[in-house]
Amino acid sequence: DAGVTQSPTHLIKTRGQQVTLRCSPKSGHDTVSWYQQALGQGPQFIFQYYEEEERQRGNFPDRFSGHQFPNYSSELNVNALLLGDSALYLCASRWTSGGLTGELFFGEGSRLTVL
Amino acid sequence: QKEVEQDPGPLSVPEGAIVSLNCTYSNSAFQYFMWYRQYSRKGPELLMYTYSSGNKEDGRFTAQVDKSSKYISLFIRDSQPSDSATYLCAMSAGQAGTALIFGKGTTLSVSS
Repeated sequence: DAGVTQSPTHLIKTRGQQVTLRCSPKSGHDTVSWYQQALGQGPQFIFQYYEEEERQRGNFPDRFSGHQFPNYSSELNVNALLLGDSALYLCASRWTSGGLTGELFFGEGSRLTVL
Repeated sequence: QKEVEQDPGPLSVPEGAIVSLNCTYSNSAFQYFMWYRQYSRKGPELLMYTYSSGNKEDGRFTAQVDKSSKYISLFIRDSQPSDSATYLCAMSAGQAGTALIFGKGTTLSVSS
């Protein structure tokens, strides 16, 4: 059973560029969340998608946007990259059913470096 | 004051020691409390989760929640070199798995 898979694993961009990160949730999971983890810090919640809609959002600017597809996979887009966007971007998935939710499972992350 | 405070360490112990990791928090609405383990260059892995106050034990790991003191702990008994990792506490006001607020993580090193 494949867990949460993310791509790419590493990437380097320059300031002002745009980046797209991809995530496939664990089998049976329908809800995807994205977190940003700066070096030496804990993960920070960016947003969560369920039924192809953004359901919850953390304190991140509109430069951060996302999408969920009918197969539950998800993308995170970041526009106008800043040096401070350099971080490990983590995707996490869980199931949601009847108002109940399962545990969050994290992927290995996509490490973004902005030069 | 941050919502969740966690001493980043590093914490170094010999193999076989009992390890105590702690977090404090300020938001009394938090009801779900989790501990994640994160190895270098890997994603966080869920170790324990607890709803509301009380203790939970799983093998060598024990999680404690004291909501009156806004304090949570993770105890590791008979620590092993393979326990060397960063331990992150996380909590949420909603159901387990909704937006989590994480501590900074404590880096643990267990020497053989």
